[in-house]
Amino acid sequence: DSGVTQTPKHLITATGQRVTLRCSPRSGDLSVYWYQQSLDQGLQFLIHYYNGEERAKGNILERFSAQQFPDLHSELNLSSLELGDSALYFCASSAAGGGGLDYGYTFGSGTRLTVV
Amino acid sequence: GNSVTQMEGPVTLSEEAFLTINCTYTATGYPSLFWYVQYPGEGLQLLLKATKADDKGSNKGFEATYRKETTSFHLEKGSVQVSDSAVYFCALGTSYDKVIFGPGTSLSVIP
Repeated sequence: DSGVTQTPKHLITATGQRVTLRCSPRSGDLSVYWYQQSLDQGLQFLIHYYNGEERAKGNILERFSAQQFPDLHSELNLSSLELGDSALYFCASSAAGGGGLDYGYTFGSGTRLTVV
Repeated sequence: GNSVTQMEGPVTLSEEAFLTINCTYTATGYPSLFWYVQYPGEGLQLLLKATKADDKGSNKGFEATYRKETTSFHLEKGSVQVSDSAVYFCALGTSYDKVIFGPGTSLSVIP
């Protein structure tokens, strides 16, 4: 157990629907990062939150949004889902505010999203 | 900008063979370097790290040395096991930006 909790582990939904993925960071970590992993695109950085504020955006579609709550858990919202959104979605946390200079990240076990 | 390049896979080795997975990086400043491993159906786990030039990170028989002169951080293991079959990611971290991951190298070890 890495200490980063992601729910649900698996999600199957239809095209056009909206889903919410949840992440609880490791105790004491203030940063949450979201990544999408697919076979053809590899590990793609989506977005970074630090202590409730958005810090950086990567290749995140406009249909996707995220937030980090006062208790530091984070949610990734995916809407108007398409077949191509099927992927593994990982959350990672770190104590650092901006980067991973000393410790890198701790990853959760991911949510496998299947859009049918 | 910062970037990480690693050898394309898949890599297939027999048990007890020697493993090298090449990784090179481009970065400004003095980054930290990491190797992560992803076993089937799981998230990425930190395998080893090095935070300054000439540091050697090691864990579970794996080693990597931070070579600033060649901007490299190659992963090595003297004798792989079937249980080492996984995807390996080289990564770079700085104090001012997110961790950058390489594309990953898939390793299969056959008995």
